[in-house]
Amino acid sequence: GAGVSQSPSNKVTEKGKDVELRCDPISGHTALYWYRQRLGQGLEFLIYFQGNSAPDKSGLPSDRFSAERTGESVSTLTIQRTQQEDSAVYLCASSSDRSNNSPLHFGNGTRLTVT
Amino acid sequence: DQQVKQNSPSLSVQEGRISILNCDYTNSMFDYFLWYKKYPAEGPTFLISISSIKDKNEDGRFTVFLNKSAKHLSLHIVPSQPGDSAVYFCAASRGNKLVFGAGTILRVKS
Repeated sequence: GAGVSQSPSNKVTEKGKDVELRCDPISGHTALYWYRQRLGQGLEFLIYFQGNSAPDKSGLPSDRFSAERTGESVSTLTIQRTQQEDSAVYLCASSSDRSNNSPLHFGNGTRLTVT
Repeated sequence: DQQVKQNSPSLSVQEGRISILNCDYTNSMFDYFLWYKKYPAEGPTFLISISSIKDKNEDGRFTVFLNKSAKHLSLHIVPSQPGDSAVYFCAASRGNKLVFGAGTILRVKS
């Protein structure tokens, strides 16, 4: 596909369970970002991957959140022991990052609902 | 600490008229600004951007204005069309991290 692909598109889970969200970036894009959007709020930065550099994890809200990326391809965002406040749309984006100002290309997001 | 603020949660405009969406920022180190548009159930899509060395950038019906002294930018859409109805996010960056505002819902009435 030509765009950023995220799966699942929707996820409902019980409080306390672990969830894993997946992102397939655009082929050749070296930079990958995770954001989340809570209801009525803006996009909140979570984590940034650039090539083989150490990721910028400064936006992760707690140690229950972690993310991995294999090379310059797929990324997974894992939330352990989910809480109701984790309910949000989780958005992945990639960019070619040939310059720091390359626009981000977003996926359609994963809507996570923690009951 | 909201570094990028969009103080108007919503805006309603008649088709054919101008839409003006506003954004304020607090960090004077931001050097690049972008606008994204988002339809329901889709991810945001890039619309237009401006570097801090410029005060205006135009692309068709869309123009972004930057006032660095006021730390303010705006997006003008003219003429507005019903298909422009969406959520518009302002974003600012220095380096690799984009900071987004909360968004403004634009409704263009036909």
